[in-house]
Amino acid sequence: ETGVTQSPTHLIKTRGQQVTLRCSSQSGHNTVSWYQQALGQGPQFIFQYYREEENGRGNFPPRFSGLQFPNYSSELNVNALELDDSALYLCASRAGRPPYEQYFGPGTRLTVT
Amino acid sequence: RKEVEQDPGPFNVPEGATVAFNCTYSNSASQSFFWYRQDCRKEPKLLMSVYSSGNEDGRFTAQLNRASQYISLLIRDSKLSDSATYLCSDDYKLSFGAGTTVTVRA
Repeated sequence: ETGVTQSPTHLIKTRGQQVTLRCSSQSGHNTVSWYQQALGQGPQFIFQYYREEENGRGNFPPRFSGLQFPNYSSELNVNALELDDSALYLCASRAGRPPYEQYFGPGTRLTVT
Repeated sequence: RKEVEQDPGPFNVPEGATVAFNCTYSNSASQSFFWYRQDCRKEPKLLMSVYSSGNEDGRFTAQLNRASQYISLLIRDSKLSDSATYLCSDDYKLSFGAGTTVTVRA
């Protein structure tokens, strides 16, 4: 196991609602990234947090936002949910210096109806 | 152009065969590359890291060709348990390819 945990495991929401997903990073890792993975596709980079600051973002609208806490755990918030937001949301943590291998949590499977 | 692109497959090979597939990247600033294995509906698990020209770990060999901007993964003596989707990633924008599906048959 990687030591990266995510909650909840599964979630069902209605279009227009808001959701918060949580991630605890592996011990010693200060960098957390979030990915969205739709069925049959590779993980798409949402954003990365390093020492509580967002320091990289993919092509996702502002309704995708996040936080990182002093203990390096992180949250992903999605507002105004759309049907296309249904996906597996993955959190990955890594150290802030080389090697830059990322270790993934088990993911949260979000279904928007 | 996508930052990381992979042979989609599927690669369907018999047990014991060798299978190899590629991943191309567009950003020459990328320094490190990673191969992950993903089983159905599970999270990606790190398989190998590639920093210089290549890396070998048992039956798995990864090669990096900076001139042509691709990395490859070769699996020797394939096992049924190697059946999975293989994802490659760079360290620059943390981009992933769409994955290469490998099925090893008895």
